[in-house]
Amino acid sequence: GENVEQHPSTLSVQEGDSAVIKCTYSDSASNYFPWYKQELGKRPQLIIDIRSNVGEKKDQRIAVTLNKTAKHFSLHITETQPEDSAVYFCAATFGNEKLTFGTGTRLTIIP
Amino acid sequence: DAGITQSPRHKVTETGTPVTLRCHQTENHRYMYWYRQDPGHGLRLIHYSYGVKDTDKGEVSDGYSVSRSKTEDFLLTLESATSSQTSVYFCAISESGGNQETQYFGPGTRLLVL
Repeated sequence: GENVEQHPSTLSVQEGDSAVIKCTYSDSASNYFPWYKQELGKRPQLIIDIRSNVGEKKDQRIAVTLNKTAKHFSLHITETQPEDSAVYFCAATFGNEKLTFGTGTRLTIIP
Repeated sequence: DAGITQSPRHKVTETGTPVTLRCHQTENHRYMYWYRQDPGHGLRLIHYSYGVKDTDKGEVSDGYSVSRSKTEDFLLTLESATSSQTSVYFCAISESGGNQETQYFGPGTRLLVL
């Protein structure tokens, strides 16, 4: 089946600095890659996604890059703020109906 | 948040008892999913449904069954709960489930099996 590896598992960043989270996937047929943010005690919520025909996508301070040849994609958060502290999950499509999730990155923004 | 509710939100039960969790959606989405979330494992798919009475297994389906008799409801049953099934359970929905479709999550159910 599909396997998605996510690194690092924990990340601490000084407020205002950038954070990068990386994921690799195994299924070369995967073509949709969402990122979810989960605050403590809450549900995962989509923050950005990218499709296989695009190399990069930005939404304000958040960007995602995709390298299909190398089968990896990354989440970039610039000018980090305390409210960015959360657990972030990457995912990749598996077959036509399912997502496989990474194991998550706990991001802590240090004031 | 998408129109997804889960019930109960919290449950404590004893080993060996049956437990049923309910996911209800008001979006008329075709696909519904059950995940469990455990530290160090992220979100793992238990079962999913691609229509009324149409279901399939995910990667961690042992000990679980599901039913979908109406578009809006997807039930997850633990036939005989075990302590290893202590977890947070999330339901998710997506419109078509085809490639490039986003899944929206419910608020979760926290289950403790003693």
